Amino acid sequence: DAKTTQPNSMESNEEEPVHLPCNHSTISGTDYIHWYRQLPSQGPEYVIHGLTSNVNNRMASLAIAEDRKSSTLILHRATLRDAAVYYCILRDPIQGGSEKLVFGKGTKLTVNP
Amino acid sequence: NAGVTQTPKFQVLKTGQSMTLQCAQDMNHNSMYWYRQDPGMGLRLIYYSASEGTTDKGEVPNGYNVSRLNKREFSLRLESAAPSQTSVYFCASIRLAGVYEQYFGPGTRLTVT
Repeated sequence: DAKTTQPNSMESNEEEPVHLPCNHSTISGTDYIHWYRQLPSQGPEYVIHGLTSNVNNRMASLAIAEDRKSSTLILHRATLRDAAVYYCILRDPIQGGSEKLVFGKGTKLTVNP
Repeated sequence: NAGVTQTPKFQVLKTGQSMTLQCAQDMNHNSMYWYRQDPGMGLRLIYYSASEGTTDKGEVPNGYNVSRLNKREFSLRLESAAPSQTSVYFCASIRLAGVYEQYFGPGTRLTVT
């Protein structure tokens, strides 16, 4: 399974943008890049995903490098509620229901008031 | 639409006792998963079920058994609990593995003394 590398922790100030990086140098052509986050004492929740093009939704933006070996999750204006652990995961739809998602340790984001 | 539900929310067991963690989803999802999360760690896949009637081992299956009772329900059984199984257990489901996001339950906090 292709692996991802993320910084252990990052800090941001409230209402400032946050860029969370993820390296995935062994990504295959069919892997989608997914981001999840886990708020304290909760299960992970889906944030965004993409394949090649940059993606936007109401929660965040995903910027994918042209060679797809790295990506960046962008929170445009961090709030205290965005303090969480953020996971970058690669998913291969060709595996169908047999895929085994691999969650690393993720990046713990601290948002300062 | 309750999403993914898990019971119980908390459980304390003595070493050697057995118990079953229950998980149900009402989203008509095909694939279901069991993860464990130890303090300060990412999620590790225990078992998964790609579709009704099938189950397969994940990263850390030893000491656990699972049953995919029907499309809605996926249970995790600890036959003889050990202190090393103290963890938070998350169940998740997905409609179609690959592109679509996983939905997670709220978790079961298990302590084995």
